Amino acid sequence: EAGVTQSPTHLIKTRGQQATLRCSPISGHTSVYWYQQALGLGLQFLLWYDEGEERNRGNFPPRFSGRQFPNYSSELNVNALELEDSALYLCASSLRTATYEQYFGPGTRLTVT
Amino acid sequence: AQSVSQHNHHVILSEAASLELGCNYSYGGTVNLFWYVQYPGQHLQLLLKYFSGDPLVKGIKGFEAEFIKSKFSFNLRKPSVQWSDTAEYFCAVGPVDTGRRALTFGSGTRLQVQP
Repeated sequence: EAGVTQSPTHLIKTRGQQATLRCSPISGHTSVYWYQQALGLGLQFLLWYDEGEERNRGNFPPRFSGRQFPNYSSELNVNALELEDSALYLCASSLRTATYEQYFGPGTRLTVT
Repeated sequence: AQSVSQHNHHVILSEAASLELGCNYSYGGTVNLFWYVQYPGQHLQLLLKYFSGDPLVKGIKGFEAEFIKSKFSFNLRKPSVQWSDTAEYFCAVGPVDTGRRALTFGSGTRLQVQP
């Protein structure tokens, strides 16, 4: 069974630009989560999508947004990039159960110059 | 707000030594508890999980963890570590509240096992 996949592996952008990151969940999983792993800040929750809707948002500004498609894949968009947005962005997926154990993808390394 | 503390940031052990990594959390309600592992060059993998029932849970590769509710702790243990256990270990907590499915992670413990 294929795991969570993410693309691209690496992304280099200039400050002020927009970045789009993509994620495909494990087959059968309807929930997708996004996390940011920035140096010195650890793993921080960004967003949770389920059944095409944003269900929960972490403590990040509105320029971090995304969507979930009918096939449950997801996109994370970061607008007006700032240098401190440089980080590893991890996507995870889970079944829509109360235990919601999350399985992670390899991440997208975003570098803002 | 919930928080997770991992007391050991860097642990160095010799092969065959026993391992215990501490994890404490603060949250007023019921939680799901997880340990994740990240081997060098690999992505985060779920090591073990606790939802309810027997507070001693067993995971992959001989790892186990014990949930002590009164201490808000979920410590990870392994009786005898191997060189291949060299990795970073993360404790994570998630509220049992379908409205807020966000895992809060500890800062991680880097384990180095010397042959």
